[in-house]
Amino acid sequence: DIQMTQSPASLSASPEEIVTITCQASQDIGNWLAWYQQKPGKSPQLLIYSATSLADGIPSRFSGSRSGTQYSLKISRLQVEDTGIYYCLQRYSNPYTFGAGTKLELK
Amino acid sequence: QVQLKETGPGLVQPTQTLSITCTVSGFSLTSYYMQWVRQTPGKGLEWMGFIRSGGSTEYNSEFKSRLSISRDTSKNQVFLKMNSLKTEDTGVYYCAAGYFDYWGQGVMVTVSS
Repeated sequence: DIQMTQSPASLSASPEEIVTITCQASQDIGNWLAWYQQKPGKSPQLLIYSATSLADGIPSRFSGSRSGTQYSLKISRLQVEDTGIYYCLQRYSNPYTFGAGTKLELK
Repeated sequence: QVQLKETGPGLVQPTQTLSITCTVSGFSLTSYYMQWVRQTPGKGLEWMGFIRSGGSTEYNSEFKSRLSISRDTSKNQVFLKMNSLKTEDTGVYYCAAGYFDYWGQGVMVTVSS
């Protein structure tokens, strides 16, 4: 199975700051990587697909990048509504696997 | 407008079978893969399996021996059945469309006697 190692586990930042969350894949997954935001009591919402493509309706302050088998989600100009837990998902091979999540809080 | 909604029993006894229905609208099951994902306190988010737009299925080997996914295209419904439930199967079960583009609200399942 492909392991997705996500870091950090938690993060506290101030409004307008830039934050970055990373996922390291245990093997090559190409661009088959997606990022999700989950708020309490809600289902995950797609933010980024194919490693770098912004999903419909998602603010442009969210962006994704890739360097080899390391994937990053950057949130520029952090807003209050960005609090939640962020997950990566590799959709390259069975079994599809999620990262353990990053809990983002605002100071 | 794409919508998905899971319905299920809420409480299931250990060793029994879980049955969940995902009812969709705004798209055709013959055009989209349909995924099942669960979120448990012990393992977080886990992909369980999918049914392709053509009707074939693929499962996570973690569940393969006790999981079945099927559908009724005339009713726009997808079904999850998992047998031999254990307390560790307690969690929220989601259906999702496509490559996890759209998700249902989830249904909480508690496995307890």
